[in-house]
Amino acid sequence: GAVVSQHPSRVICKSGTSVKIECRSLDFQATTMFWYRQFPKQSLMLMATSNEGSKATYEQGVEKDKFLINHASLTLSTLTVTSAHPEDSSFYICSAGTGGTGYTFGSGTRLTVV
Amino acid sequence: GENVGLHLPTLSVQEGDNSIINCAYSNSASDYFIWYKQESGKGPQFIIDIRSNMDKRQGQRVTVLLNKTVKHLSLQIAATQPGDSAVYFCAENGGGSNYKLTFGKGTLLTVNP
Repeated sequence: GAVVSQHPSRVICKSGTSVKIECRSLDFQATTMFWYRQFPKQSLMLMATSNEGSKATYEQGVEKDKFLINHASLTLSTLTVTSAHPEDSSFYICSAGTGGTGYTFGSGTRLTVV
Repeated sequence: GENVGLHLPTLSVQEGDNSIINCAYSNSASDYFIWYKQESGKGPQFIIDIRSNMDKRQGQRVTVLLNKTVKHLSLQIAATQPGDSAVYFCAENGGGSNYKLTFGKGTLLTVNP
């Protein structure tokens, strides 16, 4: 079945630095990938939709200059949290569209900003 | 904006009992619904899905019911096992060419041995 690999699984960074999270579709091509953020004991909140070869579409309230998304190939999308602050600490999850209405999720990245 | 919500934030059952997790949605244009299971520190795991032209779908030990009249979705787990303990989310596809998923609040299911 479709597999999405997300890396790193955990990252700790200092306040003010940037962190890049990778999302790869291992055995299929994903023209669309989605990035979610999940705070403890809360639901997944969609941040942006990433389309290969074009600019990402951000949800209302998500700062596109802070959360940079790049989807340069059909198998890789990256999310860069720029100038991270403690309030950006969260669980970030990507998913890839597998065609039609299918979705496969990555295993998530726990970001801690200290 | 429109969102998908859940009636019960927590549910505790005895091993072997059946579990029912409920979800209310508000977007009448949604035509595809998915139930996910999420264990601590992991990404969502697909359980079962249903399209809006159906009202029931069964899988292995799980059944999803869809009532479009009242915009209600439920997940039934038969013979619940300790390994079923997790947070369960319903998610809706907004319909048409909009393939992004909107997630409900989630229900924490605890199965007592």
